[in-house]
Amino acid sequence: AQKVTQAQTEISVVEKEDVTLDCVYETRDTTYYLFWYKQPPSGELVFLIRRNSFDEQNEISGRYSWNFQKSTSSFNFTITASQVVDSAVYFCALSEAAGDSGYALNFGKGTSLLVTP
Amino acid sequence: KAGVTQTPRYLIKTRGQQVTLSCSPISGHRSVSWYQQTPGQGLQFLFEYFSETQRNKGNFPGRFSGRQFSNSRSEMNVSTLELGDSALYLCASSGTGQGVKPYGYTFGSGTRLTVV
Repeated sequence: AQKVTQAQTEISVVEKEDVTLDCVYETRDTTYYLFWYKQPPSGELVFLIRRNSFDEQNEISGRYSWNFQKSTSSFNFTITASQVVDSAVYFCALSEAAGDSGYALNFGKGTSLLVTP
Repeated sequence: KAGVTQTPRYLIKTRGQQVTLSCSPISGHRSVSWYQQTPGQGLQFLFEYFSETQRNKGNFPGRFSGRQFSNSRSEMNVSTLELGDSALYLCASSGTGQGVKPYGYTFGSGTRLTVV
């Protein structure tokens, strides 16, 4: 069975600090997909990134970066120079390839990030 | 390009009643999936539909059902509501197809259901 663990329940930082959100996953499949989503207070889940299991390249998008390491089954997310608008709950999710049987996202419990001025 | 639209945004129902929630996916997306979010259990997968067929189902009782129409719009139904069904129900659409890798699922704003 697949499983996603986000050990950090809540993180509080001061604006402009860097912050890393941890995500550890378990799966028996060799083909799988990892995602990060942001959920602001409005409730909508906002897609941030998707990574497939064959692509271990780190990704940088503006102040956001992701470190995917298959050796440690981790897919960590770093926000550089955090801003108040980054305050939200962040979810890591795993989806296994299921061919014609469709896909389902298995979410971690989420990390609530609070950035204060 | 319009996003995923869920209606209604808020709903209050009485225990024992049934409820129907609606989801209109992004134009061209044929896969629609539903998730339940509660403070205790977090985000849990309910089911996924593709071309009017349920492809995948989560671990929920039979009171939870859904369907998808030919225009890809989807509805989910919960019968005999229980207090524990109070949750945020999120719908996601994706450009997945048969044998096509999943792209980023796009979620709607959700329907917040309160059962009293």
